Amino acid sequence: SQQGEEDPQALSIQEGENATMNCSYKTSINNLQWYRQNSGRGLVHLILIRSNEREKHSGRLRVTLDTSKKSSSLLITASRAADTASYFCATDALSYNQGGKLIFGQGTELSVKP
Amino acid sequence: DGGITQSPKYLFRKEGQNVTLSCEQNLNHDAMYWYRQDPGQGLRLIYYSQIVNDFQKGDIAEGYSVSREKKESFPLTVTSAQKNPTAFYLCASSTGFQETQYFGPGTRLLVL
Repeated sequence: SQQGEEDPQALSIQEGENATMNCSYKTSINNLQWYRQNSGRGLVHLILIRSNEREKHSGRLRVTLDTSKKSSSLLITASRAADTASYFCATDALSYNQGGKLIFGQGTELSVKP
Repeated sequence: DGGITQSPKYLFRKEGQNVTLSCEQNLNHDAMYWYRQDPGQGLRLIYYSQIVNDFQKGDIAEGYSVSREKKESFPLTVTSAQKNPTAFYLCASSTGFQETQYFGPGTRLLVL
């Protein structure tokens, strides 16, 4: 089963609105990362948050991590049409059978309409 | 200009043919990875390498092979044993095993 699962699978908003995506995972982690993928392109790293951190900011991005609930959220404020992409969370499961490798979720497809 | 490159952008495979996807990085990263992505899906790990001359199977290694003879290069061969090879293939590298991964632009493999 998946280590990381994003919710919702798809999100459609208007330009200027905020977008929130959630990620849940099953086992203890060292860190959690968020990546972005434009259609047909490679992934681009957005933010890495370590297990002892609760919140991290980068420009219009805000990531929170709640290790007690095994969940993370990515907030994009004042969204732009250029934010349209798929967003993935990736976890390094400490005890998952992957031996600590990054496990990617299935992603949230964000559409920002002008 | 540092980065990670993949070639070709599109690759067509005939029935029973082996094809090789190229991945090169000049970031001086020790670790390299190959992922497969199917439409609307996340990434699944095929193979990874933490150091030159060493590599490990990921979740879906069957029908694939790799080599890591140089730090900069991690080619992936899709063999005829891979019965459903049509997918988007992504290569990535990182300084360490659980650190940020840097991705190439991907290769889309199609079967004729």
